[in-house]
Amino acid sequence: DTEVTQTPKHLVMGMTNKKSLKCEQHMGHRAMYWYKQKAKKPPELMFVYSYEKLSINESVPSRFSPECPNSSLLNLHLHALQPEDSALYLCASSQAPLLGTQYFGPGTRLLVL
Amino acid sequence: KNEVEQSPQNLTAQEGEFITINCSYSVGISALHWLQQHPGGGIVSLFMLSSGKKKHGRLIATINIQEKHSSLHITASHPRDSAVYICAVRETSGSRLTFGEGTQLTVNP
Repeated sequence: DTEVTQTPKHLVMGMTNKKSLKCEQHMGHRAMYWYKQKAKKPPELMFVYSYEKLSINESVPSRFSPECPNSSLLNLHLHALQPEDSALYLCASSQAPLLGTQYFGPGTRLLVL
Repeated sequence: KNEVEQSPQNLTAQEGEFITINCSYSVGISALHWLQQHPGGGIVSLFMLSSGKKKHGRLIATINIQEKHSSLHITASHPRDSAVYICAVRETSGSRLTFGEGTQLTVNP
């Protein structure tokens, strides 16, 4: 199983809403990542979890709050987002932190109204 | 100047043509990745290279470390190859991937 799954596929939320994005992998990978991708741009790294601990936070605003409940799951909690946060949010995992091939999920397309 | 430059930005080909996408980088790297992204978003990792050449099906990736250059070739291109192809490097001094801007490939039947 080389799959990274993400739910939901699409999400529309208002600026006062609280929502969560979920990511799951069962490859035994010990590193998981959140990326943000705007249209026609490459992905931008947001967070890296290494052995279930946050190891990199790329100066992401606090309205994005990551959580890694266990080695297979990664959440991204969203609160008080802005319209400019509308983007594709991609989760990825790799066997070791920041090494090797990163396997990407299909992404959650987020629209903030 | 970006640390990772891809060319061309856009490429249109006829089915069956041989396609080359280029990636140049300006930093020391430990690995270079080629990724494919279809409309709808999901990214597939095609190759990870640190030297030489790799082949998978109709795809071939090469890297020249001295020239800081990599190419992705697609032989006998097919409309299903239409996607954005992204080059990404892992710097030797850093710990994260640096992405190129991507090449939009369209293969017409």
